[in-house]
Amino acid sequence: GIQVEQSPPDLILQEGANSTLRCNFSDSVNNLQWFHQNPWGQLINLFYIPSGTKQNGRLSATTVATERYSLLYISSSQTTDSGVYFCAVYGNKLVFGAGTILRVKS
Amino acid sequence: KAGVTQTPRYLIKTRGQQVTLSCSPISGHRSVSWYQQTPGQGLQFLFEYFSETQRNKGNFPGRFSGRQFSNSRSEMNVSTLELGDSALYLCASSAGEGYGYTFGSGTRLTVV
Repeated sequence: GIQVEQSPPDLILQEGANSTLRCNFSDSVNNLQWFHQNPWGQLINLFYIPSGTKQNGRLSATTVATERYSLLYISSSQTTDSGVYFCAVYGNKLVFGAGTILRVKS
Repeated sequence: KAGVTQTPRYLIKTRGQQVTLSCSPISGHRSVSWYQQTPGQGLQFLFEYFSETQRNKGNFPGRFSGRQFSNSRSEMNVSTLELGDSALYLCASSAGEGYGYTFGSGTRLTVV
């Protein structure tokens, strides 16, 4: 089945810093999403981005489907950005990476 | 538009019992899928339903089952609970191919 690898596994930032999270996947996919899991466990959809680039405020994402990777950029990080970020891809089912734990310090 | 609603939010069950979890998708969404999240195994796919038909199933024992009703609401059932079934169970709905998935708040199941 499809393998999804996320890096880095852990990231500690000072408030105001920028960061890049990476997602590599092993096969062609029909769908790629980035999620932020809040402290209560809910997965919040950040981007649906099977290809191309999208931006939403301080967050942006780029997927290069032909090279099988996606990047999530967080600019001017805030403490509320802390949490776990997941990449998930859909071949015939939704497969998640192990996540990146982000801690933003004030 | 109401989001994906999962009930109950928290549940404590005894080993050997069975449990039923419920998921109401976003209005108009016909695809519902279920996931188990544990610290050791991460987020794992359980099954996906579309228009009352199971479209795909993950690698879980037969104790895990699900169904979808004509109004797209879905339930999953776990029989003969084991301690290892303690997890956060997440449900997601989608409008179909070409659309993303929206997740509910989850049901946190503790088996004692």
